[in-house]
Amino acid sequence: GIQVEQSPPDLILQEGANSTLRCNFSDSVNNLQWFHQNPWGQLINLFYIPSGTKQNGRLSATTVATERYSLLYISSSQTTDSGVYFCAVGLEAGTALIFGKGTTLSVSS
Amino acid sequence: GAVVSQHPSWVICKSGTSVKIECRSLDFQATTMFWYRQFPKQSLMLMATSNEGSKATYEQGVEKDKFLINHASLTLSTLTVTSAHPEDSSFYICSARDSAQRGSRYQPQHFGDGTRLSIL
Repeated sequence: GIQVEQSPPDLILQEGANSTLRCNFSDSVNNLQWFHQNPWGQLINLFYIPSGTKQNGRLSATTVATERYSLLYISSSQTTDSGVYFCAVGLEAGTALIFGKGTTLSVSS
Repeated sequence: GAVVSQHPSWVICKSGTSVKIECRSLDFQATTMFWYRQFPKQSLMLMATSNEGSKATYEQGVEKDKFLINHASLTLSTLTVTSAHPEDSSFYICSARDSAQRGSRYQPQHFGDGTRLSIL
């Protein structure tokens, strides 16, 4: 089956720093989503980005489908950005998502 | 936006009891919903695919008699953990795609807030 690898597994930042999270996947996909899981377990959908670049405030994401990777950029990080960030992919639109192991981000003030 | 409601959000029960978890799409229809399980400090793992009006399909290693899935309408899927034991304690979360978006360029999965199940 498809493999989804995220790096780094853990990231510790000072407030205000920028960071880049990476997601590599082993097959062509028709769905890619980035999520932030908060301490209560809620999955917050950040981006639906099977290809291209999107921005939402301090967050942006880029997926290069031909090279099978996606990047999530967090600028001017805040303590509320702490949590686990998951990349998840679907082989076909409407199919189940396969999740990476996540990147645990800790932002301190 | 598309909202998936999951109920209950937290349940604690004794070993041997059965627990039912509901997953509802509030403002869209979903012919297919997905159930995931997440153990502490681990990623989400797909358990099963719930299909409206037909049998669910289970991932390898998931006991279909332990985890009963019913998808009786286009907006509701239920997961029943039968004769639950402490090893079934986990975080269960469902997702769904808006069936009306089929064929469009925008087809994200929408997730519920999850159910934390603790079996004593």
